[in-house]
Amino acid sequence: ETGVTQSPTHLIKTRGQQVTLRCSSQSGHNTVSWYQQALGQGPQFIFQYYREEENGRGNFPPRFSGLQFPNYSSELNVNALELDDSALYLCASSLLGNRWGYNEQFFGPGTRLTVL
Amino acid sequence: AQSVSQHNHHVILSEAASLELGCNYSYGGTVNLFWYVQYPGQHLQLLLKYFSGDPLVKGIKGFEAEFIKSKFSFNLRKPSVQWSDTAEYFCAVIPEAGSYQLTFGKGTKLSVIP
Repeated sequence: ETGVTQSPTHLIKTRGQQVTLRCSSQSGHNTVSWYQQALGQGPQFIFQYYREEENGRGNFPPRFSGLQFPNYSSELNVNALELDDSALYLCASSLLGNRWGYNEQFFGPGTRLTVL
Repeated sequence: AQSVSQHNHHVILSEAASLELGCNYSYGGTVNLFWYVQYPGQHLQLLLKYFSGDPLVKGIKGFEAEFIKSKFSFNLRKPSVQWSDTAEYFCAVIPEAGSYQLTFGKGTKLSVIP
């Protein structure tokens, strides 16, 4: 059973640029959630994708967007990067029986994004 | 919106000491509660969870947590810590009905001195 993987591990961008982060979900999972973890804080929910559709969103602006592919892998895109976007971005996958369900989320190692 | 408070930012204990990490949440309805642990250099992983039933739940590595509904609390305990328990611990909550959003506390860093 392959766990959740994320790429790249680290990334440095400048303000105003755009970035794409990638996540491969655990084998057999159909749901991916993305979280932002700023230094010294707990993870904050960005959004979730269930069977290729956005299934809920946290308090993040529209410049944070995502995709989920037929193989259930996912991308997080951030446009017009700001200094405060510097954080660890975590991806978590789970298997849901329906979009209203909950099941244990398995986390990846994260992508460390630095915005200069 | 729900929120989670963890009372201690950094706890330092000697090996064999007892541990209790506080967690309080604010949400009026029924919740599911979790403790996650992040060992140095490793992924976040689930330590234990409470969905319903016995309010005293046992997790991996000898950890347990008690859900006290009247106090909106879900404190984590371990009778005797080991150096290998050095990690960051996060409490998290999700409303029971039709939700997907895990809300985390800010975390408590535990340092165990051999």
